[in-house]
Amino acid sequence: ETGVTQSPTHLIKTRGQQVTLRCSSQSGHNTVSWYQQALGQGPQFIFQYYREEENGRGNFPPRFSGLQFPNYSSELNVNALELDDSALYLCASSSTAGGRGDTQYFGPGTRLTVL
Amino acid sequence: SQQGEEDPQALSIQEGENATMNCSYKTSINNLQWYRQNSGRGLVHLILIRSNEREKHSGRLRVTLDTSKKSSSLLITASRAADTASYFCAPKAADTGRRALTFGSGTRLQVQP
Repeated sequence: ETGVTQSPTHLIKTRGQQVTLRCSSQSGHNTVSWYQQALGQGPQFIFQYYREEENGRGNFPPRFSGLQFPNYSSELNVNALELDDSALYLCASSSTAGGRGDTQYFGPGTRLTVL
Repeated sequence: SQQGEEDPQALSIQEGENATMNCSYKTSINNLQWYRQNSGRGLVHLILIRSNEREKHSGRLRVTLDTSKKSSSLLITASRAADTASYFCAPKAADTGRRALTFGSGTRLQVQP
């Protein structure tokens, strides 16, 4: 069983650019959630995907968008980057099977720096 | 949305001592989870306690839940330097089917060797 992986590990962009972050879910998991974590803060929920459909969204603007693919891997896209988008972006997968969907398994994160 | 607030914000202890951190929340919950995060890395699930449970153990971890006070505590016994990390609670509100987690700012635990 492989864990959650994310790429890239680190990324530097400039204001106004667009970025795509990738996540590969743990084997057998059909739900993926994305979180943004600013320095010294807890992770903030961006959105969740279940079977390729958005299944809930936090308080983030539309320039944050996502995709989930048939193999349950996922992308987070951010357009028109702002300085405040600098953060650690975490992907977490979970499974609705067996009633254990509330436990989430996190990847190591992508550190995004916007200059 | 339901969010836990961890207390204290920071805790520094010596190796071998016990560490206790608390979590408070506002509405009825189905369950509450605790996660650990080592510096700059992903979160690791530690334990889940359901609303009908009062105490749960996992190795050196002991979690209690008091639904009447809307609070939970995480006790780490015989702490080790490797326990140095941030700890987050994530209460799951009873009125939502969404599985997304909401986190507070966490408790930063420093275990001195």
